[in-house]
Amino acid sequence: KQEVTQIPAALSVPEGENLVLNCSFTDSAIYNLQWFRQDPGKGLTSLLLIQSSQREQTSGRLNASLDKSSGRSTLYIAASQPGDSATYLCAEGGSNDYKLSFGAGTTVTVRA
Amino acid sequence: EAQVTQNPRYLITVTGKKLTVTCSQNMNHEYMSWYRQDPGLGLRQIYYSMNVEVTDKGDVPEGYKVSRKEKRNFPLILESPSPNQTSLYFCASSSLNQPQHFGDGTRLSIL
Repeated sequence: KQEVTQIPAALSVPEGENLVLNCSFTDSAIYNLQWFRQDPGKGLTSLLLIQSSQREQTSGRLNASLDKSSGRSTLYIAASQPGDSATYLCAEGGSNDYKLSFGAGTTVTVRA
Repeated sequence: EAQVTQNPRYLITVTGKKLTVTCSQNMNHEYMSWYRQDPGLGLRQIYYSMNVEVTDKGDVPEGYKVSRKEKRNFPLILESPSPNQTSLYFCASSSLNQPQHFGDGTRLSIL
C-alpha cells in the first residue's frame, strides 16, 4: 500500500514570501503525482498533474517537481497571497493511474 | 460547465436507516470514485469504478455499496448506516492521464 506523507502539517507565512510544500511517497512504480487545493467546507480543486515521465509542471505562480528516485514531489508557490490560504494535498497515482493515495495535507496561512 | 454533482450536500439521519448519496458527472469520464475524509485520517478511497458495470473496493469499503449502471452516475449506498460512518464524502471522476474532478462533498451525520 502506498504511503504518502506531507510535512509540515501547517505553515504560516507573510504575504509575498515563496511557499515550498513537500510530499514524499513510497511507491517507486508511481504513475503520476497530483496536487490539489482544498478550501474549508469545499471539495478538492486540481492544481497540477505530473506524469511519471515528467520532471515538473508549471501553471502561473505554481510549479511542481517530481523526483521518483528519491520519492519526493515539491509544490512551489511564488509570491504568496492571502488568497493562497488553503489546505494543499498531494496524491500519488499508482499502478492503474486512477487510484489515488492522498497525503494528509499541509494547511497554509498567508498573512496580509 | 464540467462538473461532478453530489446530493445531498448535508444529511443527518439515524442508525440503520438506509441512505443513498448520488453522484453524477457530465464529462463522459470512464473513471469514478468515492472517498471519505476524516480529521487526522485524510482522504481514503471507499470504492471505485473503471467503467460501466465495473466496480472495485478501495481501502475502506466495509459498510458501503456502489453501482455503475450508467457512465455518468455512481451512487454510494449505506444499507445500514452506523455512527462510525459519520464523515465528509467526496465523489470524483476522471479520464485516463487526466486530473480527477471532485464534487463539493456530502456531510453525513449518523446519530
